Amino acid sequence: DGGITQSPKYLFRKEGQNVTLSCEQNLNHDAMYWYRQDPGQGLRLIYYSQIVNDFQKGDIAEGYSVSREKKESFPLTVTSAQKNPTAFYLCASSTGLFQETQYFGPGTRLLVL
Amino acid sequence: AQTVTQSQPEMSVQEAETVTLSCTYDTSESDYYLFWYKQPPSRQMILVIRQEAYKQQNATENRFSVNFQKAAKSFSLKISDSQLGDAAMYFCAFYSGGGADGLTFGKGTHLIIQP
Repeated sequence: DGGITQSPKYLFRKEGQNVTLSCEQNLNHDAMYWYRQDPGQGLRLIYYSQIVNDFQKGDIAEGYSVSREKKESFPLTVTSAQKNPTAFYLCASSTGLFQETQYFGPGTRLLVL
Repeated sequence: AQTVTQSQPEMSVQEAETVTLSCTYDTSESDYYLFWYKQPPSRQMILVIRQEAYKQQNATENRFSVNFQKAAKSFSLKISDSQLGDAAMYFCAFYSGGGADGLTFGKGTHLIIQP
């Protein structure tokens, strides 16, 4: 079955620690995205990537980093510089440039110990 | 920058009845797309319906339909014959195109279905 997978489902971070959230898709989509969702809020864009080895900052990129070494994978690292990382993180993909419909993975819940 | 406003934090409807969720947006673009996504308790975002701004005809997907008023910048979602499985958060989202940048979301409406 084609789709988007995210792991882990829950992730715990200690103070000062970097953690990486995984996002994999087998839809053959060119574009991938990371969003953050806080309680009572809509989603906000962190980073996006149109093609391999290229990515752009979204609205709230500070304290986060990404890589896009493979078309299927777009991992997100939450660095120690992100002072309020507790949130629900959603990965999405679309077929590519000018393709507006995005499909979402199941999400990762990040909590700070 | 675009903004999306959902003025109803919570709505309640009796099972089998019809409910309308409101969404307004602000943009200077003429060509764009609008979406309604459903987020059930599992928290997976599920696409409900989409509308292209250049199309005058309102989109329909089974029991879900929209009322798109471009001049008023309004995009409401009507759910007919409400079912218990429709209970979820509903988010309105905007995309202006021109590149693979992200969606702009409203804050959501929590829909409760009364049996």
